[in-house]
Amino acid sequence: GAGVSQSPSNKVTEKGKDVELRCDPISGHTALYWYRQSLGQGLEFLIYFQGNSAPDKSGLPSDRFSAERTGGSVSTLTIQRTQQEDSAVYLCASGVGTSPFYEQYFGPGTRLTVT
Amino acid sequence: AQSVSQHNHHVILSEAASLELGCNYSYGGTVNLFWYVQYPGQHLQLLLKYFSGDPLVKGIKGFEAEFIKSKFSFNLRKPSVQWSDTAEYFCAVNGAGSYQLTFGKGTKLSVIP
Repeated sequence: GAGVSQSPSNKVTEKGKDVELRCDPISGHTALYWYRQSLGQGLEFLIYFQGNSAPDKSGLPSDRFSAERTGGSVSTLTIQRTQQEDSAVYLCASGVGTSPFYEQYFGPGTRLTVT
Repeated sequence: AQSVSQHNHHVILSEAASLELGCNYSYGGTVNLFWYVQYPGQHLQLLLKYFSGDPLVKGIKGFEAEFIKSKFSFNLRKPSVQWSDTAEYFCAVNGAGSYQLTFGKGTKLSVIP
């Protein structure tokens, strides 16, 4: 079946511009996660959605970052006024299992470069 | 807070050599443990997982990992590596009641033919 998809695969933007990154989870997965992977830093948790519950935004690094999930499916991560330190690969994962233990399936990521 | 340490940043092995990648976590309660692999140019894939039961878990492609609770460890092993195992390997943990996965910084494995 189809896996997690993300778009765009690559995004180059100028410092100060806003960007939107999209994630299409696996159909039927109720949990959705965003992570950031920076060179040599591993994966950093950003935000978690579960069904219709309020998201856990505790990992968002600043108020320039926001995310939404529409209809319990597609999610968009928005970064406003991008900075060079935002350059990273942004990964989305969707999860299946019994709350709170989810097996997470990752998308290919969006590589963001801020110039 | 939970944390994960992967001891080796980069491991270089010849084909047919045995592999052991270290992973230690910090968390006082019940945990779920995972190893993910990222092949060059590909996305993260689940290699194996431990939720409960037999502490020796077997995953895909001949990998296995052993959960040693007393040592807070979940080391990844493979008796004989192949060139195609060249990849980056990430250990991850989530504690009971938590849905967040905490990842280690990864270990890059290079297998020389």
